[in-house]
Amino acid sequence: AQSVAQPEDQVNVAEGNPLTVKCTYSVSGNPYLFWYVQYPNRGLQFLLKYITGDNLVKGSYGFEAEFNKSQTSFHLKKPSALVSDSALYFCAVTNQGGKLIFGQGTELSVKP
Amino acid sequence: DADVTQTPRNRITKTGKRIMLECSQTKGHDRMYWYRQDPGLGLRLIYYSFDVKDINKGEISDGYSVSRQAQAKFSLSLESAIPNQTALYFCATSDPTSGGRNTGELFFGEGSRLTVL
Repeated sequence: AQSVAQPEDQVNVAEGNPLTVKCTYSVSGNPYLFWYVQYPNRGLQFLLKYITGDNLVKGSYGFEAEFNKSQTSFHLKKPSALVSDSALYFCAVTNQGGKLIFGQGTELSVKP
Repeated sequence: DADVTQTPRNRITKTGKRIMLECSQTKGHDRMYWYRQDPGLGLRLIYYSFDVKDINKGEISDGYSVSRQAQAKFSLSLESAIPNQTALYFCATSDPTSGGRNTGELFFGEGSRLTVL
């Protein structure tokens, strides 16, 4: 069965510092990996995805993620955090079956 | 107007009542999903539908039913609501981009917050 783990419930970062939100996955076959962001009282918004190709994927709002097959990880990164990046972040995975399975979410807090 | 619209946005009901949450989309996508969100548990898939004649159970379908009335409409019902169904419910759509595989991202509605007393 496929699964996703986000080991940190919360990540705290100072504005201007780099940020990393961690994600590991388990899936049979080739994984398709996604990151979504949820702002308060809103639905989830797509940030980026890895399907195939380059391991470093660039997405919206300056975010990027690195696919690491040997470590089964897909960590979300940003070189310089903004206060407006504060939100709930979800990693998700699917194989060719079509069902997207989400992690439990990581609350990112960026302080001025 | 939003591409994926959920109604109602908020609902408070009592144990044992029947509740329907509705979802409509203008994106023209065949695939639609219902998820529930609980703090610390992320999003869990309740039901999904890959076209009008296709309905599939997700991880947590017990106590729920769905109806795909048209390509654009997918409703979720709680036949007899119970307090542990208190949650934030999301409808989503997607458009497979390659050979039927779900390589496309999901597009979410704004959510329906349900409280069962």
